[in-house]
Amino acid sequence: DVKVTQSSRYLVKRTGEKVFLECVQDMDHENMFWYRQDPGLGLRLIYFSYDVKMKEKGDIPEGYSVSREKKERFSLILESASTNQTSMYLCASSLSELAKNIQYFGAGTRLSVL
Amino acid sequence: AQSVTQLDSQVPVFEEAPVELRCNYSSSVSVYLFWYVQYPNQGLQLLLKYLSGSTLVKGINGFEAEFNKSQTSFHLRKPSVHISDTAEYFCAVSPYGAGSYQLTFGKGTKLSVIP
Repeated sequence: DVKVTQSSRYLVKRTGEKVFLECVQDMDHENMFWYRQDPGLGLRLIYFSYDVKMKEKGDIPEGYSVSREKKERFSLILESASTNQTSMYLCASSLSELAKNIQYFGAGTRLSVL
Repeated sequence: AQSVTQLDSQVPVFEEAPVELRCNYSSSVSVYLFWYVQYPNQGLQLLLKYLSGSTLVKGINGFEAEFNKSQTSFHLRKPSVHISDTAEYFCAVSPYGAGSYQLTFGKGTKLSVIP
């Protein structure tokens, strides 16, 4: 089975802190994704990566950056956390460039910024 | 660009009753279609997908969906729901073709099964 692991289930941070959310997949997938999930808004894509050191902006990249130094790991960075970044963050991975391949999701990180 | 509309944000249904969760999409190109389920405090998992071929697609846990190209719909159905089906369900689309990495999700439908 594909496993996508997010390092924390819950995080509480203060406004202005630098926050790292980590995601690791164990199936040698080329593509990795970071989504934000908010009630009534569904899932919105923040960034994705189709290869090591490659990244593309999604629909809502403002206030976020990403890092992919190794194929299995994709990090989401909040340079200076703000209260409007309080949300559930979901990481996903998929096998190839063809979108018909399934995206596999981690369990999510619920971030609260106080 | 693609968009997905899930017509109902919440659907309550009694146990063992049938249910239909509605999904309509908009796209200028052909698409792949997906339904994902999210159980409380978990990530999303794939229920079923339509890539091509038969318009009736069967998925896990007794769910099925029918692709209707003329109505641009991909409604999810189950003939008899169980308490364990209580979850949030997301419809998603992606365009055909190379370079199509992304899924566009609907806003979700919360299914509540009442004992």
